Amino acid sequence: SAVISQKPSRDICQRGTSLTIQCQVDSQVTMMFWYRQQPGQSLTLIATANQGSEATYESGFVIDKFPISRPNLTFSTLTVSNMSPEDSSIYLCSVQTTGGGGEQYFGPGTRLTVT
Amino acid sequence: EDKVVQSPLSLVVHEGDTVTLNCSYEVTNFRSLLWYKQEKKAPTFLFMLTSSGIEKKSGRLSSILDKKELFSILNITATQTGDSAVYLCAVGSSGNTPLVFGKGTRLSVIA
Repeated sequence: SAVISQKPSRDICQRGTSLTIQCQVDSQVTMMFWYRQQPGQSLTLIATANQGSEATYESGFVIDKFPISRPNLTFSTLTVSNMSPEDSSIYLCSVQTTGGGGEQYFGPGTRLTVT
Repeated sequence: EDKVVQSPLSLVVHEGDTVTLNCSYEVTNFRSLLWYKQEKKAPTFLFMLTSSGIEKKSGRLSSILDKKELFSILNITATQTGDSAVYLCAVGSSGNTPLVFGKGTRLSVIA
């Protein structure tokens, strides 16, 4: 398994501002993902964070709104830019272990409220 | 397009009851099926299933996979209020691809 930490654990932000969420893993992992979970909904994949290259975004998510960095194999950041109340969600970092069946483990999440 | 469907969407039971949660899937190049429990923010890993007919068990929880019929069940016996959570089913395909998640089953166990 992997131990994942996220910062901040929660934040309340004003409309129009940006927030950067950090994800740190205790071991090197190839695959890191960012998910969003809006209230009462299931997990939605935002993007795959690729080390050394641009992130791969899912349909409906764009780099200008959710820029992602992945400077090495243990760290990634997700920025939520120009926030609106619709961005209020839990944001989750996830990593996939290599080998085996490809288990994914999740960080503790960041609860974001935009006012 | 890969798809995971869970049922029921929500369930209310009394302590001591046994519940069965269902997960059906359609995925190209199936690799594994995973169950997670989500109480507050982060899903926690419960089981990973890769082979048909082999039951995975952890305490009062157990799960089994049927790769022919493309479904899995998660059983919880003698439920407790601490079992109240959203249970998520996810399917992985071969290669470095993220899991595909179902919408989850919200289980409420009342005393």
